[in-house]
Amino acid sequence: RKEVEQDPGPFNVPEGATVAFNCTYSNSASQSFFWYRQDCRKEPKLLMSVYSSGNEDGRFTAQLNRASQYISLLIRDSKLSDSATYLCVVIGYSTLTFGKGTMLLVSP
Amino acid sequence: GAVVSQHPSRVICKSGTSVKIECRSLDFQATTMFWYRQFPKQSLMLMATSNEGSKATYEQGVEKDKFLINHASLTLSTLTVTSAHPEDSSFYICSAPTRTSSYEQYFGPGTRLTVT
Repeated sequence: RKEVEQDPGPFNVPEGATVAFNCTYSNSASQSFFWYRQDCRKEPKLLMSVYSSGNEDGRFTAQLNRASQYISLLIRDSKLSDSATYLCVVIGYSTLTFGKGTMLLVSP
Repeated sequence: GAVVSQHPSRVICKSGTSVKIECRSLDFQATTMFWYRQFPKQSLMLMATSNEGSKATYEQGVEKDKFLINHASLTLSTLTVTSAHPEDSSFYICSAPTRTSSYEQYFGPGTRLTVT
């Protein structure tokens, strides 16, 4: 099993749709989790941290499920500007691992 | 505004030459910076951790003699790709921990290296 796995997509959704991505990780000792957004040929930008209690920021909700070792990102009311690749990042004691990313395409 | 800058943003060089990439934290000090590379359609891969005042820590499989890292000051880390080959062509990104959390990172805008 790969350290961090994401469905590469693309997820094609219409504007206004709700879409969710998952990211699974193999190391049960992983400590911190983040979602980053990366636009084509640009650097990743931090979207949000992921906590066991869940984290909501506007239309975005992130969840952590330690028992099943995955994190999720939910985007409500999708906008055209949400089109990007979403990377999960898993940090352990001395490791930092990016997922390959999930591509989201929001269409009019 | 950007808090981590990289220079150059794009460079084309010939095989066998060396290329230096700079990573600067603009309004904060960073005792640690990270260097990544990203090949097309692949994820970011951590190459090394740059430590101010001490040697860099390289990830497994990354040649320290080929990718020279110098953390010259608390705001500057440089990555030098020595004797570049076409397979070194990639997108190189640096990052520095945020002031609030060592786990969150500010990323630089990246450097696109093409070796011909």
